[in-house]
Amino acid sequence: ELKVEQNPLFLSMQEGKNYTIYCNYSTTSDRLYWYRQDPGKSLESLFVLLSNGAVKQEGRLMASLDTKARLSTLHITAAVHDLSATYFCAVDIYTGNQFYFGTGTSLTVIP
Amino acid sequence: EAGVAQSPRYKIIEKRQSVAFWCNPISGHATLYWYQQILGQGPKLLIQFQNNGVVDDSQLPKDRFSAERLKGVDSTLKIQPAKLEDSAVYLCASSFQGDYGYTFGSGTRLTVV
Repeated sequence: ELKVEQNPLFLSMQEGKNYTIYCNYSTTSDRLYWYRQDPGKSLESLFVLLSNGAVKQEGRLMASLDTKARLSTLHITAAVHDLSATYFCAVDIYTGNQFYFGTGTSLTVIP
Repeated sequence: EAGVAQSPRYKIIEKRQSVAFWCNPISGHATLYWYQQILGQGPKLLIQFQNNGVVDDSQLPKDRFSAERLKGVDSTLKIQPAKLEDSAVYLCASSFQGDYGYTFGSGTRLTVV
């Protein structure tokens, strides 16, 4: 059975601090996505990682992919309150562009 | 470009009733997906269409859920009869063939009481 696990599930951090969210998956894939979801809202695409070693950065967020370790990370630098949301990783197992989502990480940034 | 449109935004029904959700994908997007997101969980794929054909419906509870995409554009997802555990947000997404990733609609929040 395919598993896509994120940790931590809940993260409370102070503004200005750094932290990393981890996404582990249980089968071979070289395509991984990160999404953000605000309460009551739909999912917003953040990053698309398409190969081993891929690294993408946007503002205070940086995502990376290690396909050999079946691991992706989402690193938060100098957190600000606006980053408070739930973050999901999603793995594309088949070439049919079919996603399997992780459990989500609920991030709260405290002033 | 216009996004993925879904309606209604909210629906409350009693168990054993039926309900239908509607999705209009982005123009030109051949692939359409329905996902179920239970509170506190990640979205789970229910069904994937390519034009008006089903690509994968292996996770669709076919005894009570049905979906169609007539003419390869709009899609409807139906639940009949609904159970309490069907309470969730139902998300529609679409993608253009060859693109990576897809665009989600705002979802329909279903509450079964």
